[in-house]
Amino acid sequence: QKEVEQDPGPLSVPEGAIVSLNCTYSNSAFQYFMWYRQYSRKGPELLMYTYSSGNKEDGRFTAQVDKSSKYISLFIRDSQPSDSATYLCAMRLPGYSSASKIIFGSGTRLSIRP
Amino acid sequence: DSGVTQTPKHLITATGQRVTLRCSPRSGDLSVYWYQQSLDQGLQFLIQYYNGEERAKGNILERFSAQQFPDLHSELNLSSLELGDSALYFCASSVAGEVGTGELFFGEGSRLTVL
Repeated sequence: QKEVEQDPGPLSVPEGAIVSLNCTYSNSAFQYFMWYRQYSRKGPELLMYTYSSGNKEDGRFTAQVDKSSKYISLFIRDSQPSDSATYLCAMRLPGYSSASKIIFGSGTRLSIRP
Repeated sequence: DSGVTQTPKHLITATGQRVTLRCSPRSGDLSVYWYQQSLDQGLQFLIQYYNGEERAKGNILERFSAQQFPDLHSELNLSSLELGDSALYFCASSVAGEVGTGELFFGEGSRLTVL
């Protein structure tokens, strides 16, 4: 079993819809959670970073962590065609501040239809 | 544009061959990370260099090696290539050796195809 599981998609939704992207994980000790966005033929870029449980909002994006369920989500409101990309969740344990300890999900491909 | 430059963008080679991938980090960044991305395994950390020294090692095969030069650019050497080595190889950089918040700057990747 992988430490971090992510539905690969593809997920296709119409423009303006609310998108929900999710990851589950097996290690309850994970404390730091990230979402990266990767456009086609580009490298990943950090979108959101959250610590422990709760919500974090940044414009149209909301990251949610439910540690009791070992489940994290990224919500995109008023989705735009420019949001079409692969979204990777990532997480790491406390006490390991090196980026080398970040575990990535395999990504969900999202397509927003105009 | 992340400021991280990777060459070549595409590479096609045969099994048993050796290739070198090159990465120039963002100006001022001291750390370079190498990742392998394949469809089934996702993004896998290979190795990190900080200011010329190896800092961390991940699931890097013995057939693979890397180094960081005094000008901070880095090279990833892949030898005795196998079909399963076909993947996207990303380089990322950061200012410091520790970036727990995940603030890594990725290049556009080198797509390696082994035939």
